Amino acid sequence: KAGVTQTPRYLIKTRGQQVTLSCSPISGHRSVSWYQQTPGQGLQFLFEYFSETQRNKGNFPGRFSGRQFSNSRSEMNVSTLELGDSALYLCASSLGQARNYGYTFGSGTRLTVV
Amino acid sequence: KNEVEQSPQNLTAQEGEFITINCSYSVGISALHWLQQHPGGGIVSLFMLSSGKKKHGRLIATINIQEKHSSLHITASHPRDSAVYICAVHSNTGNQFYFGTGTSLTVIP
Repeated sequence: KAGVTQTPRYLIKTRGQQVTLSCSPISGHRSVSWYQQTPGQGLQFLFEYFSETQRNKGNFPGRFSGRQFSNSRSEMNVSTLELGDSALYLCASSLGQARNYGYTFGSGTRLTVV
Repeated sequence: KNEVEQSPQNLTAQEGEFITINCSYSVGISALHWLQQHPGGGIVSLFMLSSGKKKHGRLIATINIQEKHSSLHITASHPRDSAVYICAVHSNTGNQFYFGTGTSLTVIP
């Protein structure tokens, strides 16, 4: 079966712009969670969506937002980009709420802000 | 203060050696995960544990809830095991997800 698909794989944006990243979960998975990975901070949890509702949120500013559609696909948006937003953004999908099930991760979107 | 601490940060082993990576955490948890990340970024979920021990091939993961400690063991290590291993926990208060900084493993043929 198809894995978790993230698009685009690579992205270069200018400071101040906004960006939208997409994540298509494994068919049948209803939970999608998002993570940011940087060399300095490592992996950090952004948020988790389950059945179109945001269930959990990490400690990120309001510039980071997301949503989940009825087909479980999810998008993440970052507005007013800063240089420090350059990172690998990963999403993972799960059958149910992520804390109760194992995850499958996508390959990530590498965002560079210049 | 990090909620999840891993040791060692870096580890080099000869092929065939038995490897142990440790993870200690300071929060109450509902589950602990071991993740593997290869160069290029792809992450694979190896184990999810809430108690006891799990085994998959040459990999074994254990958790001691009372001591807030987990270990990942690799028996008969192989160069393809070279990767970063990350411990992550789901807290049972506030429903947060915390990550260790990872252990970079290199297995030399």
